[in-house]
Amino acid sequence: GENVEQHPSTLSVQEGDSAVIKCTYSDSASNYFPWYKQELGKRPQLIIDIRSNVGEKKDQRIAVTLNKTAKHFSLHITETQPEDSAVYFCAASGRGGSNYKLTFGKGTLLTVNP
Amino acid sequence: ETGVTQTPRHLVMGMTNKKSLKCEQHLGHNAMYWYKQSAKKPLELMFVYNFKEQTENNSVPSRFSPECPNSSHLFLHLHTLQPEDSALYLCASSQETGGGTEAFFGQGTRLTVV
Repeated sequence: GENVEQHPSTLSVQEGDSAVIKCTYSDSASNYFPWYKQELGKRPQLIIDIRSNVGEKKDQRIAVTLNKTAKHFSLHITETQPEDSAVYFCAASGRGGSNYKLTFGKGTLLTVNP
Repeated sequence: ETGVTQTPRHLVMGMTNKKSLKCEQHLGHNAMYWYKQSAKKPLELMFVYNFKEQTENNSVPSRFSPECPNSSHLFLHLHTLQPEDSALYLCASSQETGGGTEAFFGQGTRLTVV
């Protein structure tokens, strides 16, 4: 089945700096790669996603890049703010049995220091 | 609100108890999921239901028993749990179209087994 590795596990940046989180996946058939943000005590929520027919996608301060050949994708947050502090999860959607399912990385705890 | 509601929010149970977790989605989705979130494995898929049919059981012990009576409701029946089963149990739903889509999460049930 799919295996998703995520690095780093913790990341601390100063407000205004950029943050980059990287993920690799194992199943070359995976075709959907979402990123979720989970604030303390809250549910995971989608912040951006990308499909395999696209190499890059941007939404204001957040961007995601995908390299299908190397099987890795990254989340880029620019001009970080304290409210960006949270745990970020990457995921890859591959076919498991008769259903597509999301396999998540282990998460990155991002701390933005004021 | 994401349209996925879980009850109860917190549950403390003894190892010999039987309890059930409930999840309800009002999004018209055709797939529902149970995830276990703990410090060791941040987002671990347990079960997948598509159109009420179980399509995935990710090697979950039989003391966890899912039930999906219709496309809007999902239960997780718990019986003779172990302290290591203490975790946050998250329900999610999505509209599966054959290529992977956003999963919407409930707020979770914080389970403590004593």
